[in-house]
Amino acid sequence: AQTVTQSQPEMSVQEAETVTLSCTYDTSESDYYLFWYKQPPSRQMILVIRQEAYKQQNATENRFSVNFQKAAKSFSLKISDSQLGDAAMYFCAYRSPNYGGSQGNLIFGKGTKLSVKP
Amino acid sequence: DTGVSQNPRHKITKRGQNVTFRCDPISEHNRLYWYRQTLGQGPEFLTYFQNEAQLEKSRLLSDRFSAERPKGSFSTLEIQRTEQGDSAMYLCASSLAGQGRQPQHFGDGTRLSIL
Repeated sequence: AQTVTQSQPEMSVQEAETVTLSCTYDTSESDYYLFWYKQPPSRQMILVIRQEAYKQQNATENRFSVNFQKAAKSFSLKISDSQLGDAAMYFCAYRSPNYGGSQGNLIFGKGTKLSVKP
Repeated sequence: DTGVSQNPRHKITKRGQNVTFRCDPISEHNRLYWYRQTLGQGPEFLTYFQNEAQLEKSRLLSDRFSAERPKGSFSTLEIQRTEQGDSAMYLCASSLAGQGRQPQHFGDGTRLSIL
């Protein structure tokens, strides 16, 4: 069974600075998808960024980028130029490929609470 | 833009009562997922539907839990004879079917509190 581990329960960053959130996972599959989701307090979870395992190039979405190390099974999220609105719980998630429609659910880590200091 | 809608937002009930939650997915999404999230944890998968068919159920889904998605549109999650351990946030998500890259869009969740 696949597992996702986020080893940093809490992180803090100064506004405008850069922060990196760590995520490792365990799987025997060679093809899969990885996601970072953001969950602000009392608000819905939203997708930040996603990575296909077969792509070597790291995904980037504006101020958010990932460092995907497939051999090390590591998938960290870098937030540049941090803003107050970035404060939230961040969840790393794994998803198996969906061949034949047999799988589809996300496997989440326990999350990292990010605080942004003004 | 109509996202995933969940009702009610909060539900407080006494132990032993039955509760039912509703989820309305994004209209063109044929996949619908239910997750449970307890304090300090990430969401845990409960079950999912493709159209009206329930394709997968987690072992977390005891026989007190039942989910339906009649006509492949909205879904309901019912918990019978609620227990203290059922207190959690119940999240619904929807997506297009695909090869796993399709992102899941989440609703605001229903927070269940058992007295």
